[in-house]
Amino acid sequence: NAGVTQTPKFQVLKTGQSMTLQCAQDMNHEYMSWYRQDPGMGLRLIHYSVGAGITDQGEVPNGYNVSRSTTEDFPLRLLSAAPSQTSVYFCASSPRTATNEKLFFGSGTQLSVL
Amino acid sequence: AQSVAQPEDQVNVAEGNPLTVKCTYSVSGNPYLFWYVQYPNRGLQFLLKYITGDNLVKGSYGFEAEFNKSQTSFHLKKPSALVSDSALYFCAVRDSGGYQKVTFGTGTKLQVIP
Repeated sequence: NAGVTQTPKFQVLKTGQSMTLQCAQDMNHEYMSWYRQDPGMGLRLIHYSVGAGITDQGEVPNGYNVSRSTTEDFPLRLLSAAPSQTSVYFCASSPRTATNEKLFFGSGTQLSVL
Repeated sequence: AQSVAQPEDQVNVAEGNPLTVKCTYSVSGNPYLFWYVQYPNRGLQFLLKYITGDNLVKGSYGFEAEFNKSQTSFHLKKPSALVSDSALYFCAVRDSGGYQKVTFGTGTKLQVIP
């Protein structure tokens, strides 16, 4: 059982470049989300989705786009990378029932924007 | 807006001694509370949660947490620390009425000294 898979694990971009961070889960979870982790800031929610076709903004959505065309996939797009987006990005998924609720995290993508 | 505070950046404890990692929260409705652990270069892993019921909840690896509604706290505890418990610990909260929009604290680094 693969769980939550993130690719790539590492990426270096130049300012202004665009890229897509991939996230896929094989647990049929309705809820998926993207967080960024920065020193001293903890994890901050970028975007989340409660099901295919439904997305919403989190705490720090500017500069990022998402879409959810299938239950399994939730890609995060950086439209024009900036040095402030240098961070570690985590994708997470969760079943939507309270009794089973907990976030399953991917192993992260370390992004550097020069 | 919901929020989580972890007042200690780092907690040091001797192996075999009890440990406590502190967390306080703020939500508008009933809280769903969580603890996650992150080992170096890894994603976060679920430890335990409080949804409703008994104020003392037990989780993985011998950890437990006590929900205190009057003090809006959810401290993580373990009776006897192990060196392998050394990691970064995150407290998280969401409003029971929310769409699983989970807010994390800034994290507490636990160092267990042999």
